[in-house]
Amino acid sequence: AQKVTQAQTEISVVEKEDVTLDCVYETRDTTYYLFWYKQPPSGELVFLIRRNSFDEQNEISGRYSWNFQKSTSSFNFTITASQVVDSAVYFCALSNTGNQFYFGTGTSLTVIP
Amino acid sequence: NAGVTQTPKFRVLKTGQSMTLLCAQDMNHEYMYWYRQDPGMGLRLIHYSVGEGTTAKGEVPDGYNVSRLKKQNFLLGLESAAPSQTSVYFCASSYRRMLISNQPQHFGDGTRLSIL
Repeated sequence: AQKVTQAQTEISVVEKEDVTLDCVYETRDTTYYLFWYKQPPSGELVFLIRRNSFDEQNEISGRYSWNFQKSTSSFNFTITASQVVDSAVYFCALSNTGNQFYFGTGTSLTVIP
Repeated sequence: NAGVTQTPKFRVLKTGQSMTLLCAQDMNHEYMYWYRQDPGMGLRLIHYSVGEGTTAKGEVPDGYNVSRLKKQNFLLGLESAAPSQTSVYFCASSYRRMLISNQPQHFGDGTRLSIL
């Protein structure tokens, strides 16, 4: 069975603080894909990153960074120097090779100015 | 290039009424999906399609039917709407092979459906 757990329901930080959003996944597949999506208050879903199961290299994109650790089945997302525009709901998702996607319940991030 | 277009954007139904949500994509994607998003539940897959003429059940298929008569369109039907189906519905599409595209799922803007 595939499952994604985002234990943090809501997080509030003050602007310029760093924040890490946790994602723990479960799968029996050896090949799978992990994703992060952002849903701002306007409601659309914005793709942030995809990571393949055979590539554990961490990635940095501007203020965003992702830490993929197969040993702990985690794919955590860190925002450095948070900004008000980062306020959104963030979803972690898992997909097997069948192209079905399994989403976590999301973490609502509020950045306070 | 419109991407994924959902119609309508909002709809209010009475219990027992039927309706169809339309999803159209212009990216020649093989795969299409219908999700529902409820507070505290994230996105849950209702049905998906791996190609024209084929559909499959997702996590929460009960009460919904789908059809994929054309590659670019994926229809979600509610035969007899129930208040439990009040939700925001998202359509998405993707290439069959994820490695082709760096953005594997393109989402529509959502349809907000209320069942009274």
